[in-house]
Amino acid sequence: SAVISQKPSRDICQRGTSLTIQCQVDSQVTMMFWYRQQPGQSLTLIATANQGSEATYESGFVIDKFPISRPNLTFSTLTVSNMSPEDSSIYLCSVELAGVGTYNEQFFGPGTRLTVL
Amino acid sequence: GENVEQHPSTLSVQEGDSAVIKCTYSDSASNYFPWYKQELGKRPQLIIDIRSNVGEKKDQRIAVTLNKTAKHFSLHITETQPEDSAVYFCAASRDTDKLIFGTGTRLQVFP
Repeated sequence: SAVISQKPSRDICQRGTSLTIQCQVDSQVTMMFWYRQQPGQSLTLIATANQGSEATYESGFVIDKFPISRPNLTFSTLTVSNMSPEDSSIYLCSVELAGVGTYNEQFFGPGTRLTVL
Repeated sequence: GENVEQHPSTLSVQEGDSAVIKCTYSDSASNYFPWYKQELGKRPQLIIDIRSNVGEKKDQRIAVTLNKTAKHFSLHITETQPEDSAVYFCAASRDTDKLIFGTGTRLQVFP
């Protein structure tokens, strides 16, 4: 597996502001993803972070609200823009490591707990 | 698109008993089915996975079975221990496509 770190681990923010979350991996990976996990809920994919090109967003998530960067194969950022209390959640990055055959295993970062007041 | 349903939402067992969590998926092209364990306040951790070319996989006390015809797969934990208490998520994907997660099962193992 890979060592995945996220910064910050938690933050409390005022509504209307933006927060950028960083995800760093200790090895080059092909795929990086950003998920949201609301309290007591499952994991919802926000977008796939593509290296060198625009991220691929899932239904219900837009680039203006969640801009994503992935400048290289070990690093990505997710920004939560113009925050409201509804954005309070845990945000997790995950990476896909090469496995056997075509199907690759995903491993998660420790998450960023965001509270918006 | 893919839809994954997971049951039960909560499960309580006595230590030493077995626990079974079931998931169904909708996309017959899905071919990779991982299971994650998430302890309170921690990240989801991959505990076992199965690919569509096998029907069962075991790793010590945990096993996963897959029925492609019925489009369902299950997690079996034998000889449960208090440290097995956590939320378990199943997921499904097609090739290297995104993972679609089930809604989770909160397992409580009572000593």
